Amino acid sequence: AQSVSQHNHHVILSEAASLELGCNYSYGGTVNLFWYVQYPGQHLQLLLKYFSGDPLVKGIKGFEAEFIKSKFSFNLRKPSVQWSDTAEYFCAVNATGANNLFFGTGTRLTVIP
Amino acid sequence: NAGVTQTPKFQVLKTGQSMTLQCAQDMNHEYMSWYRQDPGMGLRLIHYSVGAGITDQGEVPNGYNVSRSTTEDFPLRLLSAAPSQTSVYFCASSPGEGGQPQHFGDGTRLSIL
Repeated sequence: AQSVSQHNHHVILSEAASLELGCNYSYGGTVNLFWYVQYPGQHLQLLLKYFSGDPLVKGIKGFEAEFIKSKFSFNLRKPSVQWSDTAEYFCAVNATGANNLFFGTGTRLTVIP
Repeated sequence: NAGVTQTPKFQVLKTGQSMTLQCAQDMNHEYMSWYRQDPGMGLRLIHYSVGAGITDQGEVPNGYNVSRSTTEDFPLRLLSAAPSQTSVYFCASSPGEGGQPQHFGDGTRLSIL
């Protein structure tokens, strides 16, 4: 089975700082990778996804993620965060062709104005 | 389109009571799933369905039942609620071709006393 590790539990940044959230997965086969965001009191929303092709994926709201197969990583980045990016961020993986998603434990991001 | 609709949004139960969490989607998605979200543990898959009449267990199925009589509906039943089932429950759906992003409902916050 797949598993996902998010090592940063809580990240606090000032506005305009750069962001990188780590995500590592374990699975021997090909995978699809996702980042979801959960704003306070809301449901999960898809930020970006990687299925195949260019390992640098651009998502909504200026977020991007890079798939590094040799490191089993899919880190999320944003050059300059805003207060409105305060949320919880979840990395998720499923085996190519499968439906079941495996989530990391999430990283809470707090952006200070 | 309403997307994925969950009811109720909040519920308090006593230990031993039973209840059903409702989930409906209007996107004609084949795949539906239930997750529970607990602090520090991310989202864990309870049960899932790949189509009407087909259900299967996820990572944490004990204490929960599901059925899928129609494409639209995927209710989750707690037969005898326990305090360990206090959690936030999310229903999700996806087109079912495998690996597609999932659309989440707003969640049901359930407390078991």
